[in-house]
Amino acid sequence: QKEVEQDPGPLSVPEGAIVSLNCTYSNSAFQYFMWYRQYSRKGPELLMYTYSSGNKEDGRFTAQVDKSSKYISLFIRDSQPSDSATYLCAMRRTSYDKVIFGPGTSLSVIP
Amino acid sequence: ETGVTQTPRHLVMGMTNKKSLKCEQHLGHNAMYWYKQSAKKPLELMFVYSLEERVENNSVPSRFSPECPNSSHLFLHLHTLQPEDSALYLCASSQGGRGAGSGNTIYFGEGSWLTVV
Repeated sequence: QKEVEQDPGPLSVPEGAIVSLNCTYSNSAFQYFMWYRQYSRKGPELLMYTYSSGNKEDGRFTAQVDKSSKYISLFIRDSQPSDSATYLCAMRRTSYDKVIFGPGTSLSVIP
Repeated sequence: ETGVTQTPRHLVMGMTNKKSLKCEQHLGHNAMYWYKQSAKKPLELMFVYSLEERVENNSVPSRFSPECPNSSHLFLHLHTLQPEDSALYLCASSQGGRGAGSGNTIYFGEGSWLTVV
């Protein structure tokens, strides 16, 4: 079983839709969870950062962590064509530990 | 604009060439990383430097040789590469240390696209 799993997509939605991106993981020791957005031919940029379980909201983006189910989600409200990118989930056990990335989900928002 | 800059952005090299990728971070971080990103595969951690000391080498072939002269600069020296080494090479940095703040997260450069012919 892979440590972090993520549906690669591609996921295609109409502009204005609510998008749900998800990752599952196998290591219950993960405590730090991140979402990165990567535009084509660019490096990943940090989008959201959460510690332990719970929700975190930043504008149109909400990150959700359910440690009991080993499941994290990123919700995008009122999706825009500029949200079209690959979204990578990432996690680590401690602040010293290496970051484990998911393979990424490709999202396309159609005008 | 990223606080981690990589050069060159694109590189084409033959299998017998020697070239280097350069990375500079302007964030005051004390840890730097090289990652490899190939199509449809998760990011692969190659090397980690913390306080200029290599702390991790994930079984990377010796044709890849990292160098970290100081906490702001990181190089990846390339020689006798293979076509399967063609990928996006990403440099990243972070501030090590305790705490749950976002300062412990990793910030990436724009990447260097490498094509080996």
